[in-house]
Amino acid sequence: EIVMTQSPATLSVSPGERATLSCRASQSVSSNLAWYQQKPGQAPSLLMSGASTRATGIPARFSGTGSGTEFTLTISSLQSEDFALYYCQQYSSWPSYTFGQGTKLEIK
Amino acid sequence: QVQLQESGPGLVKPSETLSLTCGVSGYSITTGYDWGWIRQPPGKGLEWIGSIHHSGVAYYNSSLKSRLTLSVDTSKNQFSLKLSSVTAADTAVYYCARVGHSGYGVIDSWGQGTLVTVSS
Repeated sequence: EIVMTQSPATLSVSPGERATLSCRASQSVSSNLAWYQQKPGQAPSLLMSGASTRATGIPARFSGTGSGTEFTLTISSLQSEDFALYYCQQYSSWPSYTFGQGTKLEIK
Repeated sequence: QVQLQESGPGLVKPSETLSLTCGVSGYSITTGYDWGWIRQPPGKGLEWIGSIHHSGVAYYNSSLKSRLTLSVDTSKNQFSLKLSSVTAADTAVYYCARVGHSGYGVIDSWGQGTLVTVSS
């Protein structure tokens, strides 16, 4: 099983600043990496697939980079609605997809 | 706009079988995607359970495979999950979802989730 490790577990950032979230895979997943956002009491929603392709309707302040085992989600200028939980997911190892444990982005 | 809605008992006794159904509206499940289940224990992260194609071919998380059965009913545009011999560790919010087909495992639509508690 491919293990996905996200860091940090909690990230405290002020509105308007940049946030950088990391995701590491225990073995290469190429670019088969998705990011999801989850707000309290809601289902996750897709932010990014293919490591760097924003889903429909996702603002340009969200960007994703990386391939192989190291990935980054960057939010360039945090808005109030961006404070949430973020999960990465690998879909390289079909059908055994796995998620990271999540990063909580909180207001500083 | 596809919509997914989970339904089923919110409380299941230990050792019994957890059964959930996901109704899909706004999209035919016979068109081009797989249909999956993901769960989230309270306060914890996401766990992939498995997915099924409208043909009935199913793919299971290896850790749950011995207890898990996925099925699909194309006439009702819905798919289902059965997890046997449940324990408290199976307590979670269960989400149904639309998943990319044939290994493109991006989840682009989710149900709202349903909490299932395993307790006597």
